[in-house]
Formats: sequence, C-alpha cells, structure tokens
Amino acid sequence: DGGITQSPKYLFRKEGQNVTLSCEQNLNHDAMYWYRQDPGQGLRLIYYSQIVNDFQKGDIAEGYSVSREKKESFPLTVTSAQKNPTAFYLCASSISSWTGAGNTIYFGEGSWLTVV
Amino acid sequence: AQSVTQLDSHVSVSEGTPVLLRCNYSSSYSPSLFWYVQHPNKGLQLLLKYTSAATLVKGINGFEAEFKKSETSFHLTKPSAHMSDAAEYFCVVITGGFKTIFGAGTRLFVKA
Repeated sequence: DGGITQSPKYLFRKEGQNVTLSCEQNLNHDAMYWYRQDPGQGLRLIYYSQIVNDFQKGDIAEGYSVSREKKESFPLTVTSAQKNPTAFYLCASSISSWTGAGNTIYFGEGSWLTVV
Repeated sequence: AQSVTQLDSHVSVSEGTPVLLRCNYSSSYSPSLFWYVQHPNKGLQLLLKYTSAATLVKGINGFEAEFKKSETSFHLTKPSAHMSDAAEYFCVVITGGFKTIFGAGTRLFVKA
C-alpha cells in the first residue's frame, strides 16, 4: 500500500542526546514536511523539502536538523539544542510544495518523543 | 494576511444528532480548503477538500462541507453523529505560492 511510514512510534531521549526520527514515503511525492504537535495544540512546521538535496526552515526549526538525500526519505534529527523536545511529530508529503488545485498533504501516523 | 479560525475549540453532541464544526478563513488568493480528522495518537486523515469546483463537497464517513465565499466559511457537517466520530478536526487552507495554514483544531465529543 502507498503511504508514509514513520518510525519509531515512541522514542525516549535522555538529556543531551540527539535522536533521529525516520520518515519514508512511497507516494513518489516531491515535497515532504515535518510538523510538531504539542498536546491540545495545532501543528507547527519545523522543516520542509521541495526536492531532493534541498530543504527549508519552517516556523520552529531551531534545535532540529534534516536531510533529503533520497526522494522517499526525510529524516528529522532532534538535537540537544532543542530544549523542549517532548511532543508528537508528524511527517507529511505532497505532490509538490507549490499550491495548485488539489495539492493535498498526506500524513504519517506520527512519532511520540519524550525526554527522560 | 492569510489565516484560519476554527470558531469552537470543543463541540459536544449526542449520538445520532447533527454535527457542525465551524471554520472561517482569510485569504488574498483563491484558496484550497481541507478538513482533516485526527484520532488520538494518530496522524491526520483527509476528510474532504475544496479546490474551486463544486461548492458543496462530500467527504468520507458521511461528512460534507460547503464553501461560502461571501462568508469566507467552510463549515463541516454530518447529519448524524456516531461514537467513532469523536476526534479532533482541523480546517486547513492552502493559499497562493507555498503556504499551508492549519486551524487550531476542534475536539468533537460524542455522547451515547
């Protein structure tokens, strides 16, 4: 089945550690995104990528890093510089990042990151 | 400036009664409008989308929404709520260029 796969579903991070969340899509989409969702709140854009080997900061990029070496993969690293990383992280993709009729964004199932 | 306002943070209905989740938007361009549903600890699932075709859009699970340009609204409705509809709902606007704007979400409670 086509879709977006995020792993792991649950991840615990110790203080000072970097952790990486995986996101893989087999939809052949050019654009990929990472969002952060805090309990009871909406989504905030961390990073997005329009094509391979290119990515842009979103609204809350500090303390995060990404790479886009392959079209289907867009991993997110939460670095030790991110002071409040406990949240639900959602990966998404769309055919392209440019708007047009029906440029729907599709989401993965999300990953919970907790600092211990 | 572009924006999305979901007018209710929480809506509570009884099973079998109608659902109305309200969304107003502001956009300088002809927007594409979406409703997504999110169940606990899950990703967002597309319910329906409006892309300048018919103003009344039918989605999955019996939901529909009507685009009203004069009122800048895109309210989500369902004639009869089911217990499985209890979830959080997000109204989303995609405007010209690259900009996706999420509403803050409306949590729907369904009482037996």
